Amino acid sequence: EDKVVQSPLSLVVHEGDTVTLNCSYEVTNFRSLLWYKQEKKAPTFLFMLTSSGIEKKSGRLSSILDKKELFSILNITATQTGDSAVYLCAVPWPYNQGGKLIFGQGTELSVKP
Amino acid sequence: DTAVSQTPKYLVTQMGNDKSIKCEQNLGHDTMYWYKQDSKKFLKIMFSYNNKELIINETVPNRFSPKSPDKAHLNLHINSLELGDSAVYFCASSQGSVAPYNEQFFGPGTRLTVL
Repeated sequence: EDKVVQSPLSLVVHEGDTVTLNCSYEVTNFRSLLWYKQEKKAPTFLFMLTSSGIEKKSGRLSSILDKKELFSILNITATQTGDSAVYLCAVPWPYNQGGKLIFGQGTELSVKP
Repeated sequence: DTAVSQTPKYLVTQMGNDKSIKCEQNLGHDTMYWYKQDSKKFLKIMFSYNNKELIINETVPNRFSPKSPDKAHLNLHINSLELGDSAVYFCASSQGSVAPYNEQFFGPGTRLTVL
């Protein structure tokens, strides 16, 4: 069965800390992996990764994909309270019909001042 | 200049009622979706439409009926509401269904509470 598993499920850190969020997947015919940030409302897109070993970066956030080991990590450096959110990892359903995304359970990050 | 909008944002109703949620996207995307997010924050797809055609129906009870009058709109009608339908419903859209066009943009969500 295709699945996406994130760890940890929740994390509490202090401002300035660096965090690493994990996402592992078991999906046939893998094509891409997406990271989203969900604060109180809608998930907002962070990164899409399609190639192994190429880091995507946006400010203090970066992400990398390992297609051999079937996982991705999302790093956040110098965390701020505004980084507090649920971070979701998703992989498109392998049969590429209709664009369905399979989401992980999410990692709830709480950054304390 | 909202990209994906949903109405209403909140919906509180009694068991057995029928209700609708509307979704519109102004991004020119071809594909639209409905997701359900339960109390544990798990996001699960319900339906996917491409150019007004149903592509995915993820074993959702037939009390749920999506309708796409055109490719910019995807509405969700729910008959005979049950307690277990309480959740946040998200609409989303994407340019296409295959990378790199499958980045999905989400609406603000509709929190449905069934009493």
